[in-house]
Amino acid sequence: QKEVEQDPGPLSVPEGAIVSLNCTYSNSAFQYFMWYRQYSRKGPELLMYTYSSGNKEDGRFTAQVDKSSKYISLFIRDSQPSDSATYLCAMSGGGGSNYKLTFGKGTLLTVNP
Amino acid sequence: ETGVTQTPRHLVMGMTNKKSLKCEQHLGHNAMYWYKQSAKKPLELMFVYNFKEQTENNSVPSRFSPECPNSSHLFLHLHTLQPEDSALYLCASSQVSAAGGGETQYFGPGTRLLVL
Repeated sequence: QKEVEQDPGPLSVPEGAIVSLNCTYSNSAFQYFMWYRQYSRKGPELLMYTYSSGNKEDGRFTAQVDKSSKYISLFIRDSQPSDSATYLCAMSGGGGSNYKLTFGKGTLLTVNP
Repeated sequence: ETGVTQTPRHLVMGMTNKKSLKCEQHLGHNAMYWYKQSAKKPLELMFVYNFKEQTENNSVPSRFSPECPNSSHLFLHLHTLQPEDSALYLCASSQVSAAGGGETQYFGPGTRLLVL
């Protein structure tokens, strides 16, 4: 079983839709959970960061972590064409290796005008 | 310059060539990383330098050789690469604290490498 599973998509939605992206993981030591956004021909940029379980909201973006289910989600409300990108989940933590990130494969999202 | 910069942005090389990738971070961080990003695969951590000391080498073939002369600069020296090494090579940096704590990594734009 891979440490982090993420559906690569592609996912195509109309403008204004609510988008749900998610990852599952197997390592219960993970404590820090991140979502990165990567535009074509660019490096990943941090979008959301959460510690342990719970929700975090930032504008149109909401990150949720359910450690009991080993499941994290990113919701995008009122999606815009500019949200079209690959979304990568990443996580770290446990055993003095907090700096090591384990990534999912990324989900390619296209928001159609 | 701000953030993390990488040069060159694109590189084509033959299997017998020797080339180097350069990364520079302008964030005052103390840790730097090399990742490989291939299609349909998660980012693969290759090397980690923490306070200029190499602390991680994820079973990377010796044809990849990292160098970290100071906390702001990181190089990846390439020699006798294989076509399967073609990928996007990403550099990142973070501020690692003694206590640890899920430090955020900031990425450069990457070098797109094609090995012929």
